[in-house]
Amino acid sequence: AQSVTQPDIHITVSEGASLELRCNYSYGATPYLFWYVQSPGQGLQLLLKYFSGDTLVQGIKGFEAEFKRSQSSFNLRKPSVHWSDAAEYFCAVGPPNAGKSTFGDGTTLTVKP
Amino acid sequence: GAVVSQHPSRVICKSGTSVKIECRSLDFQATTMFWYRQFPKQSLMLMATSNEGSKATYEQGVEKDKFLINHASLTLSTLTVTSAHPEDSSFYICSAHGQRSTDTQYFGPGTRLTVL
Repeated sequence: AQSVTQPDIHITVSEGASLELRCNYSYGATPYLFWYVQSPGQGLQLLLKYFSGDTLVQGIKGFEAEFKRSQSSFNLRKPSVHWSDAAEYFCAVGPPNAGKSTFGDGTTLTVKP
Repeated sequence: GAVVSQHPSRVICKSGTSVKIECRSLDFQATTMFWYRQFPKQSLMLMATSNEGSKATYEQGVEKDKFLINHASLTLSTLTVTSAHPEDSSFYICSAHGQRSTDTQYFGPGTRLTVL
């Protein structure tokens, strides 16, 4: 069975500081990995995805994520956080049919001025 | 880019009534749509997979007669919460992937249902 763990429920960073959100997964084959962002009362927006190839994936809004098979991780990073990045972030793992993705419980990001 | 809309964005209804939520793919044809439920401060729970022209596939524990799903066209799927009760209050989100690419989901903005 596939599963996703986001160890950090809530993270607070200062504006301009770097950010790393952790994601660990369990999947029986080569995983399809996703990071989504959700603003309050909104749906999910895809930040980036990894299917194969280069393990460092670039996404929108200056985010990137690195796939590390040996650690079963797919951590999300951003070098300099903006106040508008405050939101809920979800990591997901799934088969090629992305609708069957399993989502982590999410990490709430708060950005201090 | 692919856009998915939901209507209504918010709905308040009385206990015992039925509520219909629409999910539309605006600029692409969606052979498959998905319905999720999200409780406050929690992750998304897949409720069902909606395939155009056929019956929906429900996840374990989801009541088929409670949550009726219809996918009558390639751009529209509807979720009807029948005989709603306060415990059905939640945030409902739909997503879709297109005919040519099934590896990416496009999410709607969600519908907040409150049952009084």
